[in-house]
Amino acid sequence: EPEVTQTPSHQVTQMGQEVILRCVPISNHLYFYWYRQILGQKVEFLVSFYNNEISEKSEIFDDQFSVERPDGSNFTLKIRSTKLEDSAMYFCASSVQYSGNTIYFGEGSWLTVV
Amino acid sequence: GENVEQHPSTLSVQEGDSAVIKCTYSDSASNYFPWYKQELGKRPQLIIDIRSNVGEKKDQRIAVTLNKTAKHFSLHITETQPEDSAVYFCAASRSNAGGTSYGKLTFGQGTILTVHP
Repeated sequence: EPEVTQTPSHQVTQMGQEVILRCVPISNHLYFYWYRQILGQKVEFLVSFYNNEISEKSEIFDDQFSVERPDGSNFTLKIRSTKLEDSAMYFCASSVQYSGNTIYFGEGSWLTVV
Repeated sequence: GENVEQHPSTLSVQEGDSAVIKCTYSDSASNYFPWYKQELGKRPQLIIDIRSNVGEKKDQRIAVTLNKTAKHFSLHITETQPEDSAVYFCAASRSNAGGTSYGKLTFGQGTILTVHP
């Protein structure tokens, strides 16, 4: 069964550093998403991306965050200057446009900011 | 925006018993309601979903009911097994203007289900 894959699985970074989290969505999917989950809390929507542009974003997704689809397969989340409160599990997800739109999550990238 | 409340926060049952988790939502325009199971350190995995044109859906031991008037939906697990132990999240979303995406999921706070052998 096709899966959403994410790298790295775990990253530790210094506060103020830039971080790029990478995702390969399922190949025939057209909608891409980033969600995050702070330890012990619920999953929160960050951003959705379709047709090479952001279709929706939450209030969490401020100017420190950006997303990009640099080629035909990768989807990235960049955090420009990390803060301690950015420590969380970041999930990439994708869905097909036309057939039910079930959202499939990747295994997540655990980001620790120190 | 949408707000989803989920209860209970923890649920402990004996193997073979039933488990029920309830969620309420605030946005009457929400029309898609998935349930995800998340094991420790793992991704959320879809276990069942329901769309607003249906009142109930069942898949083996799992069922979901939706009451659009009251804006609540519930997950029912029958004949629970120890491997059902996990965190369960409900979520709600609505299609975008083009009616083609349910992408912005608003999640509930989660229910830690423990099934004792």
